[in-house]
Amino acid sequence: QTVVTQEPSFSVSPGGTVTLTCALSSGSVSPSYYPSWYQQTPGQAPRTLIYSTNIRSSGVPDRFSGSILGNKAALTIAGAQADDESDYYCALYMGSVISVFGGGTKLTVL
Amino acid sequence: QITLKESGPTLVKPTQTLTLTCTFSGFSLRTSGVGVGWIRQPPGKALEWLAVVYWDDDKRYSPSLKDRVTITKDTSKNQVVLIMTNMDPVDTATYFCAHRLNNGSYFAVWGQGTLVTVSS
Repeated sequence: QTVVTQEPSFSVSPGGTVTLTCALSSGSVSPSYYPSWYQQTPGQAPRTLIYSTNIRSSGVPDRFSGSILGNKAALTIAGAQADDESDYYCALYMGSVISVFGGGTKLTVL
Repeated sequence: QITLKESGPTLVKPTQTLTLTCTFSGFSLRTSGVGVGWIRQPPGKALEWLAVVYWDDDKRYSPSLKDRVTITKDTSKNQVVLIMTNMDPVDTATYFCAHRLNNGSYFAVWGQGTLVTVSS
């Protein structure tokens, strides 16, 4: 069974830049997996940030960007702010298995 | 503006069947490329995709749950229903429904979620 892997936790200083990644247990992530990224604060529903690798959802600031870095999907947050402190999930499209979510990354801004 | 809202029981007993309803507005499940999916999240754990139904009634299920889960749509009522049989305490989770778009293959808008506890 395919496993999608993310860093369990990451920290960034206010104003800094951080890149979170999303990897496959076997193989490389490519645009054909349509990587998407979601932000979730405790007790809230996920919010869609990025889809199709690098397209920002409506209303998402351009501090958030998506890409493919090497064999992984990546989410970069520039100019980190206190309210960016959240859990971030990636999801990959696997054809008949519509979406496989990663385990999530808990981002701390301090 | 697209909105979705989940409804159903907050507590079910082990072995019982769970029925959740997602009522949505701001889009139609008659529109090509549109779907509604269900995702769950056990307390303190990651998101897990369960099922999706598309405008053309194509239905897809998570391989790990496909024997227990059924998804249906009622286009006239703007509702999607998830049925999960043989509930177990490990199925305790917040259940979200979400607007799915084929163009980009992603969940675009999420409901607020509903917590379902499985306990005797």
